[in-house]
Amino acid sequence: GESVGLHLPTLSVQEGDNSIINCAYSNSASDYFIWYKQESGKGPQFIIDIRSNMDKRQGQRVTVLLNKTVKHLSLQIAATQPGDSAVYFCAENAGGTSYGKLTFGQGTILTVHP
Amino acid sequence: DSGVTQTPKHLITATGQRVTLRCSPRSGDLSVYWYQQSLDQGLQFLIQYYNGEERAKGNILERFSAQQFPDLHSELNLSSLELGDSALYFCASSQSQGSGEKLFFGSGTQLSVL
Repeated sequence: GESVGLHLPTLSVQEGDNSIINCAYSNSASDYFIWYKQESGKGPQFIIDIRSNMDKRQGQRVTVLLNKTVKHLSLQIAATQPGDSAVYFCAENAGGTSYGKLTFGQGTILTVHP
Repeated sequence: DSGVTQTPKHLITATGQRVTLRCSPRSGDLSVYWYQQSLDQGLQFLIQYYNGEERAKGNILERFSAQQFPDLHSELNLSSLELGDSALYFCASSQSQGSGEKLFFGSGTQLSVL
């Protein structure tokens, strides 16, 4: 029978290209956002975070952009390398009675070809 | 290495059984979180504990329970197991209890219910 599962968006790039991974979040009360990378067989690994009072934050080879008007988050990876191949998740936190709870998006599969 | 330790890495059991998953948070972290990752549901938040007390709760089944001990390690108990409980279970930790904190994830426990 047909298997049931999440159909994750995929992004395929060449080594050295820039990658942009997009995420739409759901809760307009969310005030903290974070990107994780998950490699096969491993737990999610922190990449970069941003608070709602900012619209851009840069790290090493990565940039996160936040557009609160349309509830959109993006992760830009510069000079993508084969080691960047993984599933990328955005997550949001609404604070308050949610405490530290992060709500995760479905994920995007990034494949980098040498 | 995130500093979060989960045991066991793999667990195979039968329907109707009960299992316990264990987590040791990063040194100094007071909050522990449990997440379930399955193919059809993605990363789902189960529960958060802070310094021994429950803080936030997700869609955790009544058959599942968790606790955090005085030494801050946590256990997730899954009982009356069903085939659909087969999933990766992740533990994460953070320094405090509130919003705006990055979570550090362990490598997970792969549970297979046969």
